[in-house]
Amino acid sequence: GEDVEQSLFLSVREGDSSVINCTYTDSSSTYLYWYKQEPGAGLQLLTYIFSNMDMKQDQRLTVLLNKKDKHLSLRIADTQTGDSAIYFCAEGERGANNLFFGTGTRLTIIP
Amino acid sequence: SQTIHQWPATLVQPVGSPLSLECTVEGTSNPNLYWYRQAAGRGLQLLFYSVGIGQISSEVPQNLSASRPQDRQFILSSKKLLLSDSGFYLCAWNWGSGSTNEKLFFGSGTQLSVL
Repeated sequence: GEDVEQSLFLSVREGDSSVINCTYTDSSSTYLYWYKQEPGAGLQLLTYIFSNMDMKQDQRLTVLLNKKDKHLSLRIADTQTGDSAIYFCAEGERGANNLFFGTGTRLTIIP
Repeated sequence: SQTIHQWPATLVQPVGSPLSLECTVEGTSNPNLYWYRQAAGRGLQLLFYSVGIGQISSEVPQNLSASRPQDRQFILSSKKLLLSDSGFYLCAWNWGSGSTNEKLFFGSGTQLSVL
Protein backbone atom coordinates (compact mmCIF):
# COMPACT_ATOMS: atom_id res chain seq x y z
CA GLY A 1 0.00 0.00 0.00
CA GLU A 2 0.90 3.67 -0.07
CA ASP A 3 3.45 4.83 2.47
CA VAL A 4 4.02 8.48 3.39
CA GLU A 5 6.79 9.27 5.87
CA GLN A 6 7.72 12.36 7.83
CA SER A 7 9.92 13.21 10.76
CA LEU A 8 7.89 13.58 13.93
CA PHE A 9 9.48 16.74 15.32
CA LEU A 10 11.18 19.93 14.13
CA SER A 11 12.32 22.91 16.20
CA VAL A 12 13.14 26.23 14.58
CA ARG A 13 14.08 29.66 15.91
CA GLU A 14 11.60 32.44 15.32
CA GLY A 15 12.52 34.31 12.15
CA ASP A 16 14.43 31.40 10.62
CA SER A 17 13.15 29.23 7.80
CA SER A 18 11.49 25.89 8.54
CA VAL A 19 11.84 22.99 6.15
CA ILE A 20 9.53 20.04 6.64
CA ASN A 21 10.28 16.95 4.58
CA CYS A 22 8.14 14.10 3.34
CA THR A 23 8.78 10.98 1.29
CA TYR A 24 6.19 8.81 -0.40
CA THR A 25 6.21 5.53 -2.26
CA ASP A 26 3.24 5.67 -4.64
CA SER A 27 4.51 6.50 -8.12
CA SER A 28 0.92 7.08 -9.25
CA SER A 29 0.51 10.07 -6.98
CA THR A 30 -1.11 12.93 -8.82
CA TYR A 31 -1.53 15.51 -6.09
CA LEU A 32 0.60 16.19 -3.05
CA TYR A 33 -0.65 18.28 -0.19
CA TRP A 34 0.42 20.02 2.96
CA TYR A 35 -2.08 20.36 5.78
CA LYS A 36 -1.70 22.26 9.05
CA GLN A 37 -3.30 21.16 12.30
CA GLU A 38 -3.38 23.51 15.26
CA PRO A 39 -4.01 22.06 18.75
CA GLY A 40 -7.45 20.51 19.15
CA ALA A 41 -8.54 21.48 15.65
CA GLY A 42 -9.14 19.87 12.30
CA LEU A 43 -6.75 19.96 9.39
CA GLN A 44 -6.44 23.06 7.27
CA LEU A 45 -5.24 22.77 3.69
CA LEU A 46 -2.16 24.95 3.29
CA THR A 47 -1.09 24.26 -0.23
CA TYR A 48 -0.84 21.54 -2.82
CA ILE A 49 1.17 20.73 -5.90
CA PHE A 50 0.47 18.67 -8.98
CA SER A 51 2.95 15.90 -9.70
CA ASN A 52 3.98 17.54 -12.98
CA MET A 53 5.30 20.58 -11.11
CA ASP A 54 8.66 21.03 -9.40
CA MET A 55 7.91 24.03 -7.25
CA LYS A 56 5.06 26.14 -6.02
CA GLN A 57 5.35 29.34 -4.01
CA ASP A 58 2.58 30.98 -2.04
CA GLN A 59 3.67 33.95 0.09
CA ARG A 60 5.87 32.50 2.87
CA LEU A 61 5.33 28.93 1.73
CA THR A 62 7.42 27.14 -0.87
CA VAL A 63 6.72 23.56 -1.91
CA LEU A 64 9.43 21.59 -3.67
CA LEU A 65 8.78 18.27 -5.36
CA ASN A 66 11.45 15.82 -6.48
CA LYS A 67 9.37 13.27 -8.31
CA LYS A 68 12.32 11.05 -9.13
CA ASP A 69 13.18 10.65 -5.45
CA LYS A 70 9.52 10.88 -4.35
CA HIS A 71 10.45 13.67 -1.97
CA LEU A 72 8.27 16.62 -1.04
CA SER A 73 9.24 19.53 1.17
CA LEU A 74 7.51 22.55 2.66
CA ARG A 75 9.60 25.63 3.42
CA ILE A 76 8.15 28.29 5.68
CA ALA A 77 10.09 31.54 5.45
CA ASP A 78 10.42 33.87 8.46
CA THR A 79 8.82 31.35 10.82
CA GLN A 80 6.48 32.90 13.39
CA THR A 81 5.00 31.63 16.65
CA GLY A 82 1.68 31.21 14.87
CA ASP A 83 3.29 28.61 12.65
CA SER A 84 3.49 26.21 15.61
CA ALA A 85 1.38 23.23 14.60
CA ILE A 86 1.50 19.72 13.21
CA TYR A 87 2.09 19.63 9.47
CA PHE A 88 0.80 16.69 7.47
CA CYS A 89 1.99 15.62 4.07
CA ALA A 90 -0.59 13.75 1.98
CA GLU A 91 -0.71 12.23 -1.47
CA GLY A 92 -3.60 11.39 -3.73
CA GLU A 93 -4.13 9.67 -7.02
CA ARG A 94 -6.46 10.77 -9.79
CA GLY A 95 -9.55 8.63 -9.76
CA ALA A 96 -9.03 7.44 -6.20
CA ASN A 97 -11.32 8.46 -3.38
CA ASN A 98 -8.80 8.99 -0.68
CA LEU A 99 -5.67 10.76 0.38
CA PHE A 100 -2.88 9.03 2.27
CA PHE A 101 -1.34 10.98 5.10
CA GLY A 102 2.02 10.96 6.79
CA THR A 103 2.31 10.83 10.57
CA GLY A 104 2.67 14.61 10.77
CA THR A 105 5.62 16.78 11.84
CA ARG A 106 5.23 18.82 14.99
CA LEU A 107 6.85 22.21 14.40
CA THR A 108 7.97 24.03 17.55
CA ILE A 109 9.10 27.64 17.40
CA ILE A 110 11.92 28.67 19.72
CA PRO A 111 11.71 32.35 20.78
CA SER B 1 -19.70 28.25 0.13
CA GLN B 2 -19.30 24.81 1.59
CA THR B 3 -19.08 24.14 5.31
CA ILE B 4 -18.65 21.00 7.35
CA HIS B 5 -20.01 20.56 10.84
CA GLN B 6 -18.91 17.89 13.26
CA TRP B 7 -20.13 17.32 16.80
CA PRO B 8 -19.62 16.97 19.65
CA ALA B 9 -16.22 18.62 20.05
CA THR B 10 -15.32 16.51 23.07
CA LEU B 11 -16.79 13.36 24.49
CA VAL B 12 -15.97 11.22 27.51
CA GLN B 13 -17.57 7.80 27.51
CA PRO B 14 -17.21 4.70 29.70
CA VAL B 15 -16.00 1.42 28.26
CA GLY B 16 -18.89 -0.59 26.84
CA SER B 17 -21.12 2.41 26.15
CA PRO B 18 -22.44 3.23 22.66
CA LEU B 19 -21.11 6.00 20.42
CA SER B 20 -22.62 8.27 17.82
CA LEU B 21 -20.66 11.04 16.13
CA GLU B 22 -22.34 13.10 13.49
CA CYS B 23 -21.02 15.07 10.56
CA THR B 24 -22.92 17.17 8.05
CA VAL B 25 -21.82 19.10 5.00
CA GLU B 26 -23.58 22.14 3.61
CA GLY B 27 -23.31 23.90 0.30
CA THR B 28 -22.57 20.96 -1.95
CA SER B 29 -24.29 17.81 -3.15
CA ASN B 30 -23.09 14.24 -3.55
CA PRO B 31 -19.81 14.74 -1.70
CA ASN B 32 -17.41 11.96 -0.79
CA LEU B 33 -17.42 11.70 2.99
CA TYR B 34 -14.70 10.34 5.26
CA TRP B 35 -14.04 9.42 8.86
CA TYR B 36 -10.43 9.55 10.04
CA ARG B 37 -8.95 8.79 13.43
CA GLN B 38 -5.85 10.40 14.83
CA ALA B 39 -4.45 8.48 17.77
CA ALA B 40 -2.08 10.25 20.17
CA GLY B 41 1.37 10.61 18.61
CA ARG B 42 0.30 8.99 15.36
CA GLY B 43 -0.87 10.11 11.96
CA LEU B 44 -4.27 9.95 10.39
CA GLN B 45 -5.90 6.61 9.79
CA LEU B 46 -8.78 6.37 7.36
CA LEU B 47 -11.66 4.46 8.96
CA PHE B 48 -14.52 4.76 6.49
CA TYR B 49 -15.43 6.57 3.34
CA SER B 50 -18.65 6.94 1.42
CA VAL B 51 -19.29 7.94 -2.18
CA GLY B 52 -23.07 8.04 -1.84
CA ILE B 53 -26.11 7.41 0.33
CA GLY B 54 -25.94 3.98 1.91
CA GLN B 55 -22.51 3.27 0.39
CA ILE B 56 -19.85 2.67 3.01
CA SER B 57 -16.32 1.37 2.54
CA SER B 58 -14.36 0.26 5.55
CA GLU B 59 -10.60 0.55 5.46
CA VAL B 60 -9.73 -1.32 8.64
CA PRO B 61 -11.57 -3.94 10.68
CA GLN B 62 -12.59 -2.50 14.01
CA ASN B 63 -15.20 -1.92 16.63
CA LEU B 64 -16.77 0.96 14.73
CA SER B 65 -19.34 1.34 11.96
CA ALA B 66 -20.48 4.17 9.74
CA SER B 67 -23.70 5.09 8.06
CA ARG B 68 -24.82 7.66 5.52
CA PRO B 69 -28.56 8.06 5.84
CA GLN B 70 -28.65 11.28 3.80
CA ASP B 71 -26.50 12.76 1.05
CA ARG B 72 -24.68 15.17 3.33
CA GLN B 73 -24.78 13.31 6.63
CA PHE B 74 -22.19 10.85 7.85
CA ILE B 75 -22.43 9.08 11.20
CA LEU B 76 -19.77 7.13 13.08
CA SER B 77 -21.09 4.62 15.60
CA SER B 78 -20.17 1.90 18.00
CA LYS B 79 -22.34 -0.43 20.04
CA LYS B 80 -19.72 -0.95 22.75
CA LEU B 81 -16.69 1.31 23.07
CA LEU B 82 -13.24 -0.05 23.86
CA LEU B 83 -10.38 1.78 25.54
CA SER B 84 -8.51 1.62 22.25
CA ASP B 85 -11.25 3.66 20.58
CA SER B 86 -9.95 6.79 22.28
CA GLY B 87 -8.61 9.35 19.86
CA PHE B 88 -9.33 12.41 17.79
CA TYR B 89 -11.94 11.73 15.11
CA LEU B 90 -12.08 13.85 12.02
CA CYS B 91 -14.80 14.01 9.42
CA ALA B 92 -13.85 15.20 5.96
CA TRP B 93 -15.33 15.66 2.51
CA ASN B 94 -14.30 16.30 -1.06
CA TRP B 95 -16.11 16.52 -4.34
CA GLY B 96 -17.74 13.33 -5.54
CA SER B 97 -17.28 11.18 -8.61
CA GLY B 98 -16.65 12.98 -11.85
CA SER B 99 -14.38 15.50 -10.18
CA THR B 100 -10.68 15.23 -9.64
CA ASN B 101 -9.77 13.75 -6.30
CA GLU B 102 -8.17 16.61 -4.47
CA LYS B 103 -8.48 18.81 -1.45
CA LEU B 104 -10.02 17.07 1.47
CA PHE B 105 -11.84 19.54 3.72
CA PHE B 106 -11.93 18.67 7.38
CA GLY B 107 -14.28 19.28 10.25
CA SER B 108 -13.00 20.57 13.56
CA GLY B 109 -12.75 17.10 15.09
CA THR B 110 -14.11 15.22 18.11
CA GLN B 111 -11.81 14.31 20.98
CA LEU B 112 -13.11 11.00 22.32
CA SER B 113 -11.86 9.67 25.65
CA VAL B 114 -12.96 6.19 26.64
CA LEU B 115 -12.45 5.54 30.34
